[in-house]
Amino acid sequence: DAGITQSPRYKITETGRQVTLMCHQTWSHSYMFWYRQDLGHGLRLIYYSAAADITDKGEVPDGYVVSRSKTENFPLTLESATRSQTSVYFCASSESGWDTEAFFGQGTRLTVV
Amino acid sequence: RKEVEQDPGPFNVPEGATVAFNCTYSNSASQSFFWYRQDCRKEPKLLMSVYSSGNEDGRFTAQLNRASQYISLLIRDSKLSDSATYLCVVKIAGNMLTFGGGTRLMVKP
Repeated sequence: DAGITQSPRYKITETGRQVTLMCHQTWSHSYMFWYRQDLGHGLRLIYYSAAADITDKGEVPDGYVVSRSKTENFPLTLESATRSQTSVYFCASSESGWDTEAFFGQGTRLTVV
Repeated sequence: RKEVEQDPGPFNVPEGATVAFNCTYSNSASQSFFWYRQDCRKEPKLLMSVYSSGNEDGRFTAQLNRASQYISLLIRDSKLSDSATYLCVVKIAGNMLTFGGGTRLMVKP
């Protein structure tokens, strides 16, 4: 089915472990984004990508790594997970343009213990 | 100061009521404006774009005041199904969306 999917939907990991969250979209949208959502902070941009092999930092990039070797995939890696990275992570994609809609995946609920 | 600010609410209203939310943004270079809706533990979804001339979609009306840098959303004849968090969203540079913290609406029978 067309759309944007994230995996896993839920993840529990230990402090210090590396974790990768996957994001896949079937629309061939040029832009992809990773946001985290925490109580009291709303949605904050972690990283974004304007096209394959082009990525850039958002508001809260520390502790995260992204790559985009293919247009449809935009994985987010926590190199050494910390408790402060416990959050709900949303991937999104959109066409280029000022008034284009962003479509969000269903989210990944990550708990770091 | 946050770039996009909203009253977190909650706004508790009876069915059939009219309710309005405001949002202010700090960057005068902001180009595009949106309202997204987010249901509990779900992903945000576009409710409507906001245009300079104002726009309406059924029971929903959005207004933009560039001079005062605020955006509003008016919901008429509230339904139980309107209960959700409403996110004010601004596009400032490139394709990046900046979100307000959201306003929670609860419509009661």
